[in-house]
Amino acid sequence: NAGVTQTPKFQVLKTGQSMTLQCAQDMNHNSMYWYRQDPGMGLRLIYYSASEGTTDKGEVPNGYNVSRLNKREFSLRLESAAPSQTSVYFCASTDRGLSTEAFFGQGTRLTVV
Amino acid sequence: RKEVEQDPGPFNVPEGATVAFNCTYSNSASQSFFWYRQDCRKEPKLLMSVYSSGNEDGRFTAQLNRASQYISLLIRDSKLSDSATYLCVVNLSHLSGGYNKLIFGAGTRLAVHP
Repeated sequence: NAGVTQTPKFQVLKTGQSMTLQCAQDMNHNSMYWYRQDPGMGLRLIYYSASEGTTDKGEVPNGYNVSRLNKREFSLRLESAAPSQTSVYFCASTDRGLSTEAFFGQGTRLTVV
Repeated sequence: RKEVEQDPGPFNVPEGATVAFNCTYSNSASQSFFWYRQDCRKEPKLLMSVYSSGNEDGRFTAQLNRASQYISLLIRDSKLSDSATYLCVVNLSHLSGGYNKLIFGAGTRLAVHP
């Protein structure tokens, strides 16, 4: 049981380049999330998808786009990377139910130079 | 104002100490509450849910005060292995049609030393 799989684990981009972070879960969860984590800032919600077919902005959506491709997959795209997007990105998923546990991918360490 | 605010830390304590972390949340309609643990350069993992009546899991006790919008985590008899960052989490499912929407605090770092 893989849980939540994120790719890639590490990435270095030049300013202005684009890339897509991939996330897939095999737990049949309804909701999926993208967070970024910066030192001292905790996890900040970028976008989330409450259910298949819906996406909503979180706290820090600027510079990002998302696609909920199907129930399993939720991708995050940086159209024109900026140094301020250097961060660790985590994908997560939850089932319905108020006490459900969130499962995370291992994270993507992105550096924009 | 942030949705979830925590003690900034870090907390440096000796083995065997009791340590308490506090957390406040701004949205009174928040539905459910959690503490997650994050080890250095790893993904967060659920430590425990927090219930209105308070709940205990071994050396860990969580409390919720809905009137004050305050959550706490108490760790008794600290172990070296407790060293980690502890994240307070609030579920704003009422804002997403009943689906979960988890908001994390910035985390409090705990360092337990011999």
